Amino acid sequence: AQKITQTQPGMFVQEKEAVTLDCTYDTSDQSYGLFWYKQPSSGEMIFLIYQGSYDEQNATEGRYSLNFQKARKSANLVISASQLGDSAMYFCAMRPLNTNAGKSTFGDGTTLTVKP
Amino acid sequence: DGGITQSPKYLFRKEGQNVTLSCEQNLNHDAMYWHRQDPGQGLRLIYYSQIVNDFQKGDIAEGYSVSREKKESFPLTVTSAQKNPTAFYLCASSIGTGFNQPQHFGDGTRLSIL
Repeated sequence: AQKITQTQPGMFVQEKEAVTLDCTYDTSDQSYGLFWYKQPSSGEMIFLIYQGSYDEQNATEGRYSLNFQKARKSANLVISASQLGDSAMYFCAMRPLNTNAGKSTFGDGTTLTVKP
Repeated sequence: DGGITQSPKYLFRKEGQNVTLSCEQNLNHDAMYWHRQDPGQGLRLIYYSQIVNDFQKGDIAEGYSVSREKKESFPLTVTSAQKNPTAFYLCASSIGTGFNQPQHFGDGTRLSIL
């Protein structure tokens, strides 16, 4: 069984500063994908970034980067130059490479508030 | 524009009533999913479908039913057997169920008990 742990229920960051949102995971699978999603107050879930378990380089997408440490089973999201529009809930998720590939596991999320 | 359309946005259910949530996608994705989100929590998988006429139970399928008669459509029925249906329901799709494929989500349906 997979488990995702996001230990920060809420985070605050000053506009234009960088912030790191933590994610640790537990799995017995050797191959898996890790994802981060953003959920604004309106409710829709927006895909941000993906990291494969065999990828040697950390993923980056614009202001988002993923600090992937496989041995520590962590996949932290780094948001650089925070903007007011980054205020939202952020979810880490994992997807295994096996017959249960349809079953993604989500963490409980971190609420990020960007202060002006 | 391609995307996922969920309707209605808000839905109210009376005791003992079945209600159906609609989900349509025009992304030509093979896989579709239904998730439930309770306040302050993450998503839990109700059902998913990898291809037409096939679907699998997720972690919390009891009290729910689905069908997948067309590639574009994956409706969810919340039956009277679901005793605590009040939640936010999110439909999603992905190209397939590969571990490197992200899900794309609709805007959600908020279901409440009258």
